[in-house]
Amino acid sequence: DSGVTQTPKHLITATGQRVTLRCSPRSGDLSVYWYQQSLDQGLQFLIQYYNGEERAKGNILERFSAQQFPDLHSELNLSSLELGDSALYFCASSVGLAGGGTQYFGPGTRLLVL
Amino acid sequence: AQKVTQAQTEISVVEKEDVTLDCVYETRDTTYYLFWYKQPPSGELVFLIRRNSFDEQNEISGRYSWNFQKSTSSFNFTITASQVVDSAVYFCALSDPQTSGSRLTFGEGTQLTVNP
Repeated sequence: DSGVTQTPKHLITATGQRVTLRCSPRSGDLSVYWYQQSLDQGLQFLIQYYNGEERAKGNILERFSAQQFPDLHSELNLSSLELGDSALYFCASSVGLAGGGTQYFGPGTRLLVL
Repeated sequence: AQKVTQAQTEISVVEKEDVTLDCVYETRDTTYYLFWYKQPPSGELVFLIRRNSFDEQNEISGRYSWNFQKSTSSFNFTITASQVVDSAVYFCALSDPQTSGSRLTFGEGTQLTVNP
């Protein structure tokens, strides 16, 4: 158990819908990262938050947004869902902001868009 | 640009065999970090090891060992006396802070199957 929690574990929804994925980092970790794992793209970095502020953006679509709350949990919002958004979404956390820190991953949310 | 290549898509071995998973990386940074993660069939990503670019000592942890060679930009992972429970997808990842901040760049992964 990494100490990172993600809910829900599974999510099935229809095209055009909006969903929210939730992540709680390990105790003491201030950085939260979101990654997407799909068959065609592999594991891709989406976005990073540190202590409530967005710090880095990767290959995140405009239809996707995220935030980190004062209690440090984070939410990833996916809207106008398309079939191609079906993937495993991981949240990870690390202690600091600087690169090179170990990122511990949650169990993931498996999203299926029908 | 930063890149991680795991040329072996799938490897199949028989229990108790030794197996080496290859990882080759590209980065322009002089300070960088390399990682290995394991993804068992249940799907979670489990951290195995972190290495910084200034530490070229090989590391051994039980049946696991890692060989970091800066000269060939490789960070290979060996499992000795493999077991069925080692069956998983293994990912090599790179963090190069100067270029990419904190994000991890992952390889495509190697699916390891250990048969009884």
